Amino acid sequence: EAQVTQNPRYLITVTGKKLTVTCSQNMNHEYMSWYRQDPGLGLRQIYYSMNVEVTDKGDVPEGYKVSRKEKRNFPLILESPSPNQTSLYFCASSTGTAVNSPLHFGNGTRLTVT
Amino acid sequence: AQSVTQLGSHVSVSEGALVLLRCNYSSSVPPYLFWYVQYPNQGLQLLLKYTSAATLVKGINGFEAEFKKSETSFHLTKPSAHMSDAAEYFCAVSGPNAGNMLTFGGGTRLMVKP
Repeated sequence: EAQVTQNPRYLITVTGKKLTVTCSQNMNHEYMSWYRQDPGLGLRQIYYSMNVEVTDKGDVPEGYKVSRKEKRNFPLILESPSPNQTSLYFCASSTGTAVNSPLHFGNGTRLTVT
Repeated sequence: AQSVTQLGSHVSVSEGALVLLRCNYSSSVPPYLFWYVQYPNQGLQLLLKYTSAATLVKGINGFEAEFKKSETSFHLTKPSAHMSDAAEYFCAVSGPNAGNMLTFGGGTRLMVKP
């Protein structure tokens, strides 16, 4: 089954403790992206990757890191999480541009930083 | 710069009634417009998209949207609401050269009363 898999689904951590949220897709998609969803703000893009070893900042990259060493994986790294990073995070992938290929989303990771 | 405004963070309708979810956009270039739906505890799924062909776009589950350039709007409608339509709906805009850079609106939660 074609899918984007994020882990974990829920994560509670404390300020400053490094964490990684994994994202993997099995559709051989070139494009992958991370979003955060906050009430009333919709989804805001954190980072995206057009292909292996190519990453770029989205609208809200501060406090986050990503890497794209393999085509299927695109982990999101929070080196020193803070409470304002408490949010619902989504990974998405597609084979081309938004016009020609819809984004496929994972089921989300709900992160709480205390 | 692009932006999307969704009027009404919550909309409540009775089963069988018309569904109207409003979306207005601003874009300095001809836009591509999208509606995504998010069911509880899931990622987003593409409902429909406008890519400069027909101004009335039909999507899945009986939804449709009409692109009105003069009003800079892309409202989503469905003639008769079903209980299964209860979800959060997001309007998004992308420019023709923006790849997969989608700008999302804040979302509208649709509630359907029996």
